[in-house]
Amino acid sequence: DIQMTQSPSSLSASVGDRVTITCQASQDIKKYLNWYQQKPGKAPNLIIYDASNLDTGVPSRFSGSGSGTDFTFTINSLQPEDFATYFCQQYDGVSLSFGGGTKLELK
Amino acid sequence: QLHLQESGPGPVKPSETLSLTCTVSGGSIESRSHYWAWIRQPPGRGLEWVGSIYHSGSIHYNPSLKSRVTMSVDSSKNQFSLNLTSVTAADTAVYFCARYAIFGAVINYWGQGTLVPVSS
Repeated sequence: DIQMTQSPSSLSASVGDRVTITCQASQDIKKYLNWYQQKPGKAPNLIIYDASNLDTGVPSRFSGSGSGTDFTFTINSLQPEDFATYFCQQYDGVSLSFGGGTKLELK
Repeated sequence: QLHLQESGPGPVKPSETLSLTCTVSGGSIESRSHYWAWIRQPPGRGLEWVGSIYHSGSIHYNPSLKSRVTMSVDSSKNQFSLNLTSVTAADTAVYFCARYAIFGAVINYWGQGTLVPVSS
């Protein structure tokens, strides 16, 4: 199984800040890394797919990078609606697995 | 617009079987480009993939749950189902059904999720 190590597990920031979340895979997953945003009581919502591609309608302040085992997710100029929990997710051709999540809170 | 809806009988007692169905509307479960999945989330915790099924019957289960999980597809009803046997309190979670693309496993449709408590 491929394990995903996501950090930090929580993050306090202010509106306008830039924040970065990382995910590390236990094996090479090429570019098959997706990022989701989840708000309380809701299903996750796709933000970035294939490591760096913004889903349709997602603001350009969100970005992702990386390949192989190390990936980064960045939000530039945080907006009030961005405070949520973020998860990375990998696919190895058979199984899926998720990072532990990062709860982004208002400072 | 694709819509997924989980349904099930509600709370489950320890040692019993958890059964859920996902009804797909607005699209066909026989899509050649997608897998259908169950993903769960214990209260206040992260996401855990349970298993995935293709309409033809190809199935993949999370190795940690494989001995207790069975998934199936009913194309005539545009539904897929989950059975999880011998449940314990650790199986208490919100269970989501979802659809992802075969290539890259991008999960672009989720059900709203249903909380299944395991309690005596």
